[in-house]
Amino acid sequence: QVQLQESGPRLVRPSETLSLTCGVSGDSVNSDYYWGWIRQPPGKALEWVGSIYDNGSSYYRRTYYNPSLKSRLTMSVDTSKNQVSLKLSSVSAADTAVYYCARPKTTQREYSGRYHDAFDVWGQGTMVTVSS
Amino acid sequence: SDEITQPPSVSVSPGQTVNLVCSGHELGTKYVFWYQQKPGRSPVLVIHQHNRRPSGIPERFSGSRSGNTATLTISGTQAIDEADYYCQAWDSGILVFGGGTKLTVL
Repeated sequence: QVQLQESGPRLVRPSETLSLTCGVSGDSVNSDYYWGWIRQPPGKALEWVGSIYDNGSSYYRRTYYNPSLKSRLTMSVDTSKNQVSLKLSSVSAADTAVYYCARPKTTQREYSGRYHDAFDVWGQGTMVTVSS
Repeated sequence: SDEITQPPSVSVSPGQTVNLVCSGHELGTKYVFWYQQKPGRSPVLVIHQHNRRPSGIPERFSGSRSGNTATLTISGTQAIDEADYYCQAWDSGILVFGGGTKLTVL
């Protein structure tokens, strides 16, 4: 059974970089799945942050980022640690949110649509506050 | 990217059928995903692809699409269905969430 666990600092200063990792157990980060990040400011709606695919081949890596965050966002996959990372630079109070990592329902081979399937496996989320 | 709009709140009586609607450009032509989220919990996928329910999701949940709308229908609504519901769809490489609908079961 796949399990995801977000970790990282709970408090980040304005203008600094928010760094989170998603530890994956029960699957490989290089399997045939995308990995995603979603955030939710307190009392507000879910917001997709980005999605990454890295099957370990240098020929096929792909990322999709929320355009509103793209200039500040970097997502990566660490095969040795079996985790997915998120870095968001120049943060402000508007980046305060619960951050979730998630995996889609189906593999890319099984998925008949464009991009990737809905997120079916979610971490418990980690609350990150941006404040001085 | 195109926005997806949802009514902020909907109420339903137990046992009745409720339709939760999302509106967005050509939603009827896209895969629309639906999530249920209860307070303090991670979202749960209830519908993916055309109208597929993950294992463990009751049959009373179903999805449909037409034109610029997508609908999540809950038949025989139960008190445990009270939650926030979000739709989601891809739009030119951007994964867009609707603003969510708070479903109250009165």
